[in-house]
Amino acid sequence: EADIYQTPRYLVIGTGKKITLECSQTMGHDKMYWYQQDPGMELHLIHYSYGVNSTEKGDLSSESTVSRIRTEHFPLTLESARPSHTSQYLCASRAGGASEAFFGQGTRLTVV
Amino acid sequence: AQSVTQLGSHVSVSEGALVLLRCNYSSSVPPYLFWYVQYPNQGLQLLLKYTTGATLVKGINGFEAEFKKSETSFHLTKPSAHMSDAAEYFCAVSDQGDKLIFGTGTRLQVFP
Repeated sequence: EADIYQTPRYLVIGTGKKITLECSQTMGHDKMYWYQQDPGMELHLIHYSYGVNSTEKGDLSSESTVSRIRTEHFPLTLESARPSHTSQYLCASRAGGASEAFFGQGTRLTVV
Repeated sequence: AQSVTQLGSHVSVSEGALVLLRCNYSSSVPPYLFWYVQYPNQGLQLLLKYTTGATLVKGINGFEAEFKKSETSFHLTKPSAHMSDAAEYFCAVSDQGDKLIFGTGTRLQVFP
């Protein structure tokens, strides 16, 4: 059973608000990822991290930012939410190399 | 840079029929390849993976995939579809750089 958790599962928030989506894993994985996924659509890599104090932007440009101060924690922040940010955000972690990624349940964000 | 192409955004089969979901990859180094399944409002779950060794890989729920280097393919098959197989399926590739890139997904429908 995967030990990776995302909170909240659902979030409805007004335009202009600052939000932080939480992602935590207890598996000690170095690699962590954030993907953005619209309903029924592909996963777009928006951020990833190879370890503490390491963060990189993914293939899809995103106005969000991430931090990796602790191995187990990889939060994603939107400083000023807009309706265009409405989407599902999936967090994943893996040990790297040939190992598989484990996914959280996702956060479905709606900005009104 | 690696990439994944999934041919066919929707596949429909009858219950008991063969399932074939196509995946082609591009990678400058020997890749690690994965198939994931996603049920509505859920994260992704690993079906199977190819790292090295045997090119025919067996996964959960009766699925299997064959790595064909000459065709740069990693197609997913199941001999007999079940209603519970209806879901979204994603192929993914990872190189030694540890980025994990997903295809656009294939929605599998199973009719009684």
